Amino acid sequence: GAVVSQHPSRVICKSGTSVKIECRSLDFQATTMFWYRQFPKQSLMLMATSNEGSKATYEQGVEKDKFLINHASLTLSTLTVTSAHPEDSSFYICSARRDPEADTQYFGPGTRLTVL
Amino acid sequence: AQKITQTQPGMFVQEKEAVTLDCTYDTSDPSYGLFWYKQPSSGEMIFLIYQGSYDQQNATEGRYSLNFQKARKSANLVISASQLGDSAMYFCAMRESGYGGATNKLIFGTGTLLAVQP
Repeated sequence: GAVVSQHPSRVICKSGTSVKIECRSLDFQATTMFWYRQFPKQSLMLMATSNEGSKATYEQGVEKDKFLINHASLTLSTLTVTSAHPEDSSFYICSARRDPEADTQYFGPGTRLTVL
Repeated sequence: AQKITQTQPGMFVQEKEAVTLDCTYDTSDPSYGLFWYKQPSSGEMIFLIYQGSYDQQNATEGRYSLNFQKARKSANLVISASQLGDSAMYFCAMRESGYGGATNKLIFGTGTLLAVQP
């Protein structure tokens, strides 16, 4: 199989605080992971590509200082939303590309962030 | 620029019937991959099927098949014998190929909401 987990599944936080979301590939190694954001009734928008052992590659318009990504091992990538604001409330979902398979991305179950 | 288009915002289908979800794409790269994902109300993205641009045959996975028409740049998903559990949002996606090699970024369509009626 190719199982990807995310933690937490749901988080509510106060404005100004930071929130960390973990993405783990449970039964395979993933040099590359991806972080997406999805607003209600909309499609997935890629935020950044997370590469193990190197800096993440951010998509245009995504603030790298606000959305910190760390890919410290071949099975774990973290997204930290710093100084969260209500407009950061969204569904965040990660995916992992299994090494050495190049094509298919397997997605985690997502994290619903609500910033009050 | 690469683009994925899903023109059906919503579809109804009777249980046990087949349904086709449309997807067209636009790319100038000769090498690309096409994917279909299912997203139920719980939010998880479930991989369904993959078609490579050089694959000679249409991909099939159980009740899912991909009607790949390269000249028309379409990659429609066919679900046979629909089940109530098939009710979900369905996204078509394309793997982007960057200059000098694949970047593996996925570009998603806007999705089609499928409702299976008993």
